[in-house]
Amino acid sequence: GAGVSQSPSNKVTEKGKDVELRCDPISGHTALYWYRQSLGQGLEFLIYFQGNSAPDKSGLPSDRFSAERTGGSVSTLTIQRTQQEDSAVYLCASGSRTLGETQYFGPGTRLLVL
Amino acid sequence: AQSVTQPDIHITVSEGASLELRCNYSYGATPYLFWYVQSPGQGLQLLLKYFSGDTLVQGIKGFEAEFKRSQSSFNLRKPSVHWSDAAEYFCAVGLSGNTPLVFGKGTRLSVIA
Repeated sequence: GAGVSQSPSNKVTEKGKDVELRCDPISGHTALYWYRQSLGQGLEFLIYFQGNSAPDKSGLPSDRFSAERTGGSVSTLTIQRTQQEDSAVYLCASGSRTLGETQYFGPGTRLLVL
Repeated sequence: AQSVTQPDIHITVSEGASLELRCNYSYGATPYLFWYVQSPGQGLQLLLKYFSGDTLVQGIKGFEAEFKRSQSSFNLRKPSVHWSDAAEYFCAVGLSGNTPLVFGKGTRLSVIA
């Protein structure tokens, strides 16, 4: 597709369950970012990929959060043993140095932990 | 550590009136600066960006922003607001365009008739 896509668009889960959020970046974009948007904290950086490697994981809030990227394309953000404070909108962005050094955002996944 | 301050949480303007949204940043060097807009239930759309050069940058939808190094500011302006401009606006800074961005808390814009 032309833009960044994310799935699912909405996810409701029970406390303690694991969830996987998917991001499909713009074709050819080598950089991929995960951010979290919540009412109290605003937009927070979680993790950054360049290709398949993650040079910056500094924003992951706990070891329950992990992410991977395969084939330099699709990325999955996994949250284990979800807690109510994980409820937020998870945004993915992609970018490329050769295409203007701009991050393009997907529509986000709205996660609600009951 | 870098930070971004958007002092106004919520602004209401009349349709056709001018608009200025404030953004101040704290950064060790000249940062890459961005303004994004988010409509309800949507992702972030880039309005404009500043990397270097002319300090007055033009963006989409008639928006412009001016980088003022002496004031560490990057305020967003529009001469005449349209009802469709109602949204949340985020200022962001980064070491480059391809490093993690630090966002301000956002300013919600309401437009009244």
